[in-house]
Amino acid sequence: NAGVTQTPKFRVLKTGQSMTLLCAQDMNHEYMYWYRQDPGMGLRLIHYSVGEGTTAKGEVPDGYNVSRLKKQNFLLGLESAAPSQTSVYFCASSYRWDTQYFGPGTRLTVL
Amino acid sequence: DQQVKQNSPSLSVQEGRISILNCDYTNSMFDYFLWYKKYPAEGPTFLISISSIKDKNEDGRFTVFLNKSAKHLSLHIVPSQPGDSAVYFCAASRNNNDMRFGAGTRLTVKP
Repeated sequence: NAGVTQTPKFRVLKTGQSMTLLCAQDMNHEYMYWYRQDPGMGLRLIHYSVGEGTTAKGEVPDGYNVSRLKKQNFLLGLESAAPSQTSVYFCASSYRWDTQYFGPGTRLTVL
Repeated sequence: DQQVKQNSPSLSVQEGRISILNCDYTNSMFDYFLWYKKYPAEGPTFLISISSIKDKNEDGRFTVFLNKSAKHLSLHIVPSQPGDSAVYFCAASRNNNDMRFGAGTRLTVKP
């Protein structure tokens, strides 16, 4: 089992560019999440999904969109990247709102 | 509005001694609490959790204590080992909905 995987691991964007981060899990989890981690801020929830075809806003959703077309995949999109979106992004999955299994992270820099 | 706070950004202890990591929360509706451990360049991994109906949960060298009246939880590691050196995040959720993380405490265990 690979657990939770994230693609890509690193990315550098210019302001205004768009990109999609891919998260995949092979544990048959219903719940999936996208977090960002910034120094001194801990992990903040961007968006989450409680099942295929569903999405919901988390604590810091502005500037991001998500889609869950397949149960095992959760995509995070940035339509027009801004320097404030420079961060490390973590995807996670779980059976319920309890123990979450995290991916290795994607380090994004927006110039 | 940071609902989960870890006021000590770092902690250093000697190998074999006890490590105590603290976490405070402001939302009395939180009913489930977790600790995660994170090594550099990896995603957080689940360590231990506690429900609000308990005041203590133990798993090997790790014990979590919950004081609901003080809105405070702590993680005790006894004895501490150099491999425990990592960033520790506490997290809280309510009604199987939402998850808030603290900013993390970097633990260094010296040989």
